[in-house]
Amino acid sequence: TQLLEQSPQFLSIQEGENLTVYCNSSSVFSSLQWYRQEPGEGPVLLVTVVTGGEVKKLKRLTFQFGDARKDSSLHITAAQPGDTGLYLCAGDRTNAGKSTFGDGTTLTVKP
Amino acid sequence: NAGVTQTPKFQVLKTGQSMTLQCAQDMNHEYMSWYRQDPGMGLRLIHYSVGAGITDQGEVPNGYNVSRSTTEDFPLRLLSAAPSQTSVYFCASSKDRGTKTGELFFGEGSRLTVL
Repeated sequence: TQLLEQSPQFLSIQEGENLTVYCNSSSVFSSLQWYRQEPGEGPVLLVTVVTGGEVKKLKRLTFQFGDARKDSSLHITAAQPGDTGLYLCAGDRTNAGKSTFGDGTTLTVKP
Repeated sequence: NAGVTQTPKFQVLKTGQSMTLQCAQDMNHEYMSWYRQDPGMGLRLIHYSVGAGITDQGEVPNGYNVSRSTTEDFPLRLLSAAPSQTSVYFCASSKDRGTKTGELFFGEGSRLTVL
């Protein structure tokens, strides 16, 4: 059973469209992180959300942490081809170093 | 800035062979970990270390050994390779162990094929 469920698994959209990616769990996390991974490279951290209900913005990307700290979402406004990649959420329930990753959402933005 | 360096980047093994994936970081991070990434299955934690001389098992430790003799290095050993170990392996390091403050810095990955 996957601790962090991401949806959708694949997303293909046209440049300029908006999209939302979800990361859900039945467990409470002290924090969640979002990473972006490009082919042939390791994941790179985008953001960490810590407080329930927290909203963080990174240019056209908006990240939200659920009030109960069990879920998170990533919203991209006016997607660009450069946003193409694998988006991963990660969390560590115990804060002891065992970070769990979701299966990821593969985003393709077509010009 | 080298960050996290993994070698080799590509490796092909025959079933039963052994090998070591090397990982080194130059950021003086206490925490290091190894993940494997398989299609459609995300990243799964194999082993991790919170400091020199300390290691612990992750989600999928069977068939792998680790040691941490220095802060900088965290090698992953495959004792007797099996086709099920065909995967992309990522080493990561962090200043802190948890996700609250501990951003994970990843290497570029080592792509292993076991025939």
